[in-house]
Amino acid sequence: GEDVEQSLFLSVREGDSSVINCTYTDSSSTYLYWYKQEPGAGLQLLTYIFSNMDMKQDQRLTVLLNKKDKHLSLRIADTQTGDSAIYFCAWTWAGSYQLTFGKGTKLSVIP
Amino acid sequence: GAVVSQHPSRVICKSGTSVKIECRSLDFQATTMFWYRQFPKQSLMLMATSNEGSKATYEQGVEKDKFLINHASLTLSTLTVTSAHPEDSSFYICSARDLGVGRGEETQYFGPGTRLLVL
Repeated sequence: GEDVEQSLFLSVREGDSSVINCTYTDSSSTYLYWYKQEPGAGLQLLTYIFSNMDMKQDQRLTVLLNKKDKHLSLRIADTQTGDSAIYFCAWTWAGSYQLTFGKGTKLSVIP
Repeated sequence: GAVVSQHPSRVICKSGTSVKIECRSLDFQATTMFWYRQFPKQSLMLMATSNEGSKATYEQGVEKDKFLINHASLTLSTLTVTSAHPEDSSFYICSARDLGVGRGEETQYFGPGTRLLVL
């Protein structure tokens, strides 16, 4: 798989915005995803973006894609304690539907 | 969103026994399902791709005789860990590919995972 850079930890105060970053190396990626994993649970699809888009907003979530820099970010507005989890970026690339995952960022929300 | 279930959610077995884990897509048909393994505090590692009606495709380093995959129908794939050993203890997660027929988009939905502990 391709190398992916994700910060391992992020800590924010409740009510602040959280920004989770992901840098990938595969320029032929087509769909890019953000998944949330709570302790002991499977992955929940939060949102996804097509590679021909720059931004997608879905309620408190905003996804930004910079294809030139191969950088994907997830912004969570008004972060709540229930947002505490591990967040994985992932993508598929042209000609394949297999997901490649980042290492995950553990988000801790301080009340 | 679409729902994928896994059964059992947690299993403890003795070394040398076999364990079967089921993955079901509940409200869509999945011609392709994936099996992942996740070690504590690590990302998901793809083990194999399960295709309905054909043999599974295993990733490099995954023993196909140890991890038997059967995709018997469009809504069910099973992973059997044969002759389990303590090092097989892990969190196993499946996902199902929803082709998004009629929506013009596709994505993968994940099951809740199965925690296997081999004593």
